[in-house]
Amino acid sequence: KQEVTQIPAALSVPEGENLVLNCSFTDSAIYNLQWFRQDPGKGLTSLLLIQSSQREQTSGRLNASLDKSSGRSTLYIAASQPGDSATYLCAVVGGTSYGKLTFGQGTILTVHP
Amino acid sequence: IAGITQAPTSQILAAGRRMTLRCTQDMRHNAMYWYRQDLGLGLRLIHYSNTAGTTGKGEVPDGYSVSRANTDDFPLTLASAVPSQTSVYFCASSAQSDSPLHFGNGTRLTVT
Repeated sequence: KQEVTQIPAALSVPEGENLVLNCSFTDSAIYNLQWFRQDPGKGLTSLLLIQSSQREQTSGRLNASLDKSSGRSTLYIAASQPGDSATYLCAVVGGTSYGKLTFGQGTILTVHP
Repeated sequence: IAGITQAPTSQILAAGRRMTLRCTQDMRHNAMYWYRQDLGLGLRLIHYSNTAGTTGKGEVPDGYSVSRANTDDFPLTLASAVPSQTSVYFCASSAQSDSPLHFGNGTRLTVT
């Protein structure tokens, strides 16, 4: 059974810092990996999707990498802002699971001015 | 604005009652999903549908049923609610298996 772990569980940083969120998964036979953002009381917003054949994806100040063989992904946030404060979730899709994601429990990020 | 609409936003329900959570998407996505989110347990898949007319069981399907009569709608029914079904329920959709998931804003359900 696939298990997804995110470290750290919570992170508090001053505005402007670059930061890294970590995600690991136990079964490397994944189809893709997705990073989401969740604001309090809201649904999830997709940030980046990395296919199993890709090494990284970038969107603005966000960069996500994937090392499938070691079962790891990182989300890099450059020049953090208070508006980045949210819970960040990592999720993987197994080889033939057609979009059925297994989620990590998330990292709660607080960026203070 | 294109997206997923869930209703109701929140509900308090007596144990033993029947309840249907509604989910509608206007993006013409093939696949739809129901997740529940619980503190300490994260998001877990309840049921899914790869395309209209088909459904499948996820990780925690017991006590829930779904139907997919058309592309846009994917209701989730609790036949006889129990307190352990107190949770936040999210509906999601994706165009195809390698596409990002889009989520609704959730339904907060409390079973007393």
